[in-house]
Formats: sequence, C-alpha cells, structure tokens
Amino acid sequence: DQQVKQNSPSLSVQEGRISILNCDYTNSMFDYFLWYKKYPAEGPTFLISISSIKDKNEDGRFTVFLNKSAKHLSLHIVPSQPGDSAVYFCAATSGGGSQGNLIFGKGTKLSVKP
Amino acid sequence: NAGVTQTPKFRVLKTGQSMTLLCAQDMNHEYMYWYRQDPGMGLRLIHYSVGEGTTAKGEVPDGYNVSRLKKQNFLLGLESAAPSQTSVYFCASSSTFRELFFGEGSRLTVL
Repeated sequence: DQQVKQNSPSLSVQEGRISILNCDYTNSMFDYFLWYKKYPAEGPTFLISISSIKDKNEDGRFTVFLNKSAKHLSLHIVPSQPGDSAVYFCAATSGGGSQGNLIFGKGTKLSVKP
Repeated sequence: NAGVTQTPKFRVLKTGQSMTLLCAQDMNHEYMYWYRQDPGMGLRLIHYSVGEGTTAKGEVPDGYNVSRLKKQNFLLGLESAAPSQTSVYFCASSSTFRELFFGEGSRLTVL
C-alpha cells in the first residue's frame, strides 16, 4: 500500500502563474517531508523540506504547506517559470530522520508553458 | 565538484548474468543509498548504509547485494540478473537521513 501518494501524474501551468503540486500520506509516524525535483537524464535534486512541527516553509519562489490533520502537503511555485518544468517527487520519513528510509511518491510531471 | 558518481551509466545484460554498479561520493557523507526508479513507481529504496562496513535492507532488496568496504564507495551487485531488474538505478549519499544527494543514474536493461 502506498504510504506517499501523488495523485496527479501531470500538471500544466502557464508561465508566471502559480503551480500547486499535492501530496498525501497515510503513515501518521512521518514527521519530516521533502520535495525533490528531477530533470530528464539527471538525478533528483533536493528542493525544500518541512518538519511536522511547522505548517509552512518558504524558500524564494517555493513554499511547502503541511496540513497534519489532513495528512496532506503541497508545494507552491510562484511565479512559475519554464525552467521549473520537471518531475517533482514528494518524500517522507519518520523518527526524526533516523529510519534511514525516505518513502517517495510516484511523482508529478510539471510543464510550464511560455 | 564531482558529488556522487555512478558507473557505468548504461549497461545491457542477458538474463542470468551478473554485474556490479559502483557509486562513489566525495562529500565525506556517512549515509549512502541505492534506489531504483521504474515508470509509474517513483523511487524505491533497495539497500542503504549508515557507515563504512554497514548495510541494511530497504523496500525492495531481493535479488541485490551491497557492500560498503570504504566510506566513499557503495557497490550494488546483481548475482543473476532478471528482466524484472530492468530499471534506472540511483545512488545517493547524505550527512543526515533527510537531504539526499543523488547521482545521475545508471540505466540497466536485462534481456
């Protein structure tokens, strides 16, 4: 059973608008969440993270929101740029990161059109 | 800066053949990981290591073995390759269990 779910395989957004990528999780033990970005033929790169003690973390154009009661997190990109076109993976871990195992979602492919 | 380097980048095997994927990191990270990525499946952890001389099983360890004889290297072995092991393999390293640094991937095809 999937513990981290990204239910939208793809998302298309116009340049300059907001991109919202969603992620749901089922394991209530998860206490740290991350977003990774992946371009074709490259490895994933870390984008932004959030601890379960927070509900929002912001880094430039990227903001991650966490709703623990709904077991839901989202990544907002404002404004979206064509260079943001990539696959975005949501990941989660538990035990304050001591488990040694990031659980990844299946990814959402974002296309930002000029 | 090399970061995480995987060799080889591409390999084609016949069923039953063996091979080893090498991962090297130059960031002095304690933790290293091997993931596989399959279409529609995201990234799944095969094995990981919390330090030199240690290894542990991840989510999908069957059919693979690993070794971490040196801190900077993490080897992934396939003793008898099967078509189900056709995948893109990513090595990663980290100084915590959280923010991983990934290599560029190794594409393996088993015929």
